[in-house]
Amino acid sequence: EPEVTQTPSHQVTQMGQEVILRCVPISNHLYFYWYRQILGQKVEFLVSFYNNEISEKSEIFDDQFSVERPDGSNFTLKIRSTKLEDSAMYFCASRTQTGSKNIQYFGAGTRLSVL
Amino acid sequence: AQSVSQHNHHVILSEAASLELGCNYSYGGTVNLFWYVQYPGQHLQLLLKYFSGDPLVKGIKGFEAEFIKSKFSFNLRKPSVQWSDTAEYFCAVNGPNNAGNMLTFGGGTRLMVKP
Repeated sequence: EPEVTQTPSHQVTQMGQEVILRCVPISNHLYFYWYRQILGQKVEFLVSFYNNEISEKSEIFDDQFSVERPDGSNFTLKIRSTKLEDSAMYFCASRTQTGSKNIQYFGAGTRLSVL
Repeated sequence: AQSVSQHNHHVILSEAASLELGCNYSYGGTVNLFWYVQYPGQHLQLLLKYFSGDPLVKGIKGFEAEFIKSKFSFNLRKPSVQWSDTAEYFCAVNGPNNAGNMLTFGGGTRLMVKP
């Protein structure tokens, strides 16, 4: 069964550094998402991406965050200057096409630790 | 705004016990409802979904859930759990009115099944 893959599984960084989290969505999927889960808290939506642009973003997704689909396969989340409170598990998801009934498929997540 | 509540944060059961995990959501319109499971070290996997029709939905691995519209609930059930059901379970909702079809998650329930 095709899967969403995320790399790395664990990223440790110093406060103020830039990080890029990488995701390879399922190949025929068109909608891409990033979510995060701070330890002990809910999984929270960050951003959705379709047709090479952001379609929706939450208030968490401020100017420190950006997303990109640099080639036909990768979907990246960049945090420009990490803060301690960015430490969380980051999940990438994808789905096939527009329409609310489509199902999102998730990756295993990247655990980001900001020191 | 949508919100999802999962009442049980941690559940410990013995094998063969019955399981019911509560999920309530707040959203007045038409919703799509999901349960995802995350086994240790793995990605979020879809257990089951409700879009419309029969409010009792059956998913993988013997799980089922019942949508009760009047109670804004979508509780997950399994008649007899196994040790391999040890995982974290997430209830999620999306409504048809957002362009990116983001999911709103509950806080998760960590299930431990003792052999």
